[in-house]
Amino acid sequence: DIQMTQSPSSLSASVGDRVTITCRASQSVSKYLNWYQQKSGQAPELLIYAASSLQSGVPSRFSGSGFGTGFTLTISSLRPEDFATYYCQQNSIPPYTFGQGTKVEIK
Amino acid sequence: QVQLVQSGAEVKKPGASVKVSCKASGYTFTSYDINWVRQVSGQGLEWMGGMNPNGDSTGYAQRLQGRVTMTRNTSITTAYMELTSLRSEDTAVYYCTRGFRSDYWGQGTLVTVSS
Repeated sequence: DIQMTQSPSSLSASVGDRVTITCRASQSVSKYLNWYQQKSGQAPELLIYAASSLQSGVPSRFSGSGFGTGFTLTISSLRPEDFATYYCQQNSIPPYTFGQGTKVEIK
Repeated sequence: QVQLVQSGAEVKKPGASVKVSCKASGYTFTSYDINWVRQVSGQGLEWMGGMNPNGDSTGYAQRLQGRVTMTRNTSITTAYMELTSLRSEDTAVYYCTRGFRSDYWGQGTLVTVSS
């Protein structure tokens, strides 16, 4: 199975900060990398697909980049509603494994 | 609008089976995969498997092979996930998701396995 490793596991940030989360795959997943946001008690929501494509309706302050084994999710200016847990997932080779999550907390 | 509405919470004893349903609406059901993902309380997401749009091909996570079966009934646009030989570690929220990107998710179904 492909292992997905996110860093950091958690971070504290302030409203307005630029936040970057990294996801590394144990082998190449090409561009097949998605990012999800999950708020407490809710189902995850798709933010980014195919590494860098913004899902319809998602604010443009979210962006994704990367290819192969290294990927990043960037929030350009953190808003109060962005405090949540973020997961990457590869959908290149089954099983479509997730990272362990990154919890973004209020500083 | 696209919706995936799942069946309600279940409480099962160890060794029993559970079947969770996922009613799809607002899109052409036979045009998208349905995947299943689970989440143990306070932990991360685990991809369980998926079924192709035609419903004639499924792929399951190896650790669940032999215990999980995914099916669909296109006439009522509903997908199902059945998990057998339940163990306490199967206690989790189970989600269905739409398509290769999992662009829509059901609301989740809590399955509790307890004696």
